[in-house]
Amino acid sequence: QVQLQESGPGLVKPSETLSLTCSVSGYSISSGYYWGWIRQPPGKGLEWIGNIYHGGNTYYNPSLKGRVTMSMDTSKNQFSLNLSSVTAADTAVYYCARGSREIVYWGQGTLVTVSS
Amino acid sequence: EIVMTQSPATLSVSPGERATLSCRASQSVSSNLAWYQQKLGQAPSLLIYGASTRATDIPARFSGSGSGTEFTLTISSLQSEDFAFYYCQQYDNWPRTFGQGTKVEIK
Repeated sequence: QVQLQESGPGLVKPSETLSLTCSVSGYSISSGYYWGWIRQPPGKGLEWIGNIYHGGNTYYNPSLKGRVTMSMDTSKNQFSLNLSSVTAADTAVYYCARGSREIVYWGQGTLVTVSS
Repeated sequence: EIVMTQSPATLSVSPGERATLSCRASQSVSSNLAWYQQKLGQAPSLLIYGASTRATDIPARFSGSGSGTEFTLTISSLQSEDFAFYYCQQYDNWPRTFGQGTKVEIK
């Protein structure tokens, strides 16, 4: 059974960098699949942030204007999201997920609030 | 970016009735479309992929149809657990994009 779990600070100050980690169990992230992040502002819809593949291929949503970086740590079976220069508009529930097409496996989500 | 537009925003349906949700793409996405159900406080859950293929363990009352730019999710006989938000998502182009969602509520 594939399981994903997000972790990281729940509160980030404006202009700082949001950093989240997704820990994966039940599947080795180096075995394949794209791994990615999706977010959902409170009371709003879903936004695809981007994907990373074992080997380093990445895709980032252009709407985030170069503020996104993703990485993988295969030794820990984790992948990470960094989002720089955050503003209140980046307040959202952040989900990690497996896949770049339809998403079968999702993390439970973690709320990150941007506020001073 | 492909814009996905869902209608209606809210659908009020009585238990046992049929619900029909629509999703339109701003350009063709072929059959590269998924539908998700999301309940309050939970992650989305995959219902349909490839526009019409039910995901594992999804009941037969859920069906998807369409291709190109027009898609439909039908719930043939609404059960109490089906009252939730529903989102479509295209995976034909990057960035992947979602519709804004349809809330299915009890009438």
